[in-house]
Amino acid sequence: DVKVTQSSRYLVKRTGEKVFLECVQDMDHENMFWYRQDPGLGLRLIYFSYDVKMKEKGDIPEGYSVSREKKERFSLILESASTNQTSMYLCASGSAGAKNIQYFGAGTRLSVL
Amino acid sequence: AQSVTQLDSHVSVSEGTPVLLRCNYSSSYSPSLFWYVQHPNKGLQLLLKYTSAATLVKGINGFEAEFKKSETSFHLTKPSAHMSDAAEYFCVVSSGGYNKLIFGAGTRLAVHP
Repeated sequence: DVKVTQSSRYLVKRTGEKVFLECVQDMDHENMFWYRQDPGLGLRLIYFSYDVKMKEKGDIPEGYSVSREKKERFSLILESASTNQTSMYLCASGSAGAKNIQYFGAGTRLSVL
Repeated sequence: AQSVTQLDSHVSVSEGTPVLLRCNYSSSYSPSLFWYVQHPNKGLQLLLKYTSAATLVKGINGFEAEFKKSETSFHLTKPSAHMSDAAEYFCVVSSGGYNKLIFGAGTRLAVHP
């Protein structure tokens, strides 16, 4: 089975802190994605990566950055956390190709106080 | 540009009765369409996908969906609801390059005894 592992299920941080969310996949997938999930809005794409050290902005990249130093690991960084970044964050991975499915991690619920 | 509209934010059914979750899409070319399910405090799981083969797609747990190009719809159905089907369901369209996914806002399904 494909496994996408997010390092934390729950996080509580203070406004202004630097926050790292880590994601690891074990299927040698080329593509990795970070989404945030908010009630009534579905999932919105923050950033994605199609190869090591490559990244592309999604629909809502403001306030976030990413890092992909190894193929299996994709990190989401909140440089200075703000209360409006309180949300559920979901990582996904998938093979290259337009028709291939994405596999999701269990999510990290982040609260910024 | 691709988009997805889930026509109901909440659906409530009795156990043993049929389920219908409605989804309309907009796409400038032949789309790949998916339904994902999210159980409470869990990640997203793929139910089924349509990728231009048969228009009636069968998925896991007795769910199926029919692609209707003339109506730009991809409704999800199940003949008989089970209590374990209570979850949030997302209709999703693939945005082509790099397999970016566009999510609907979600439909929360409640199943009553």
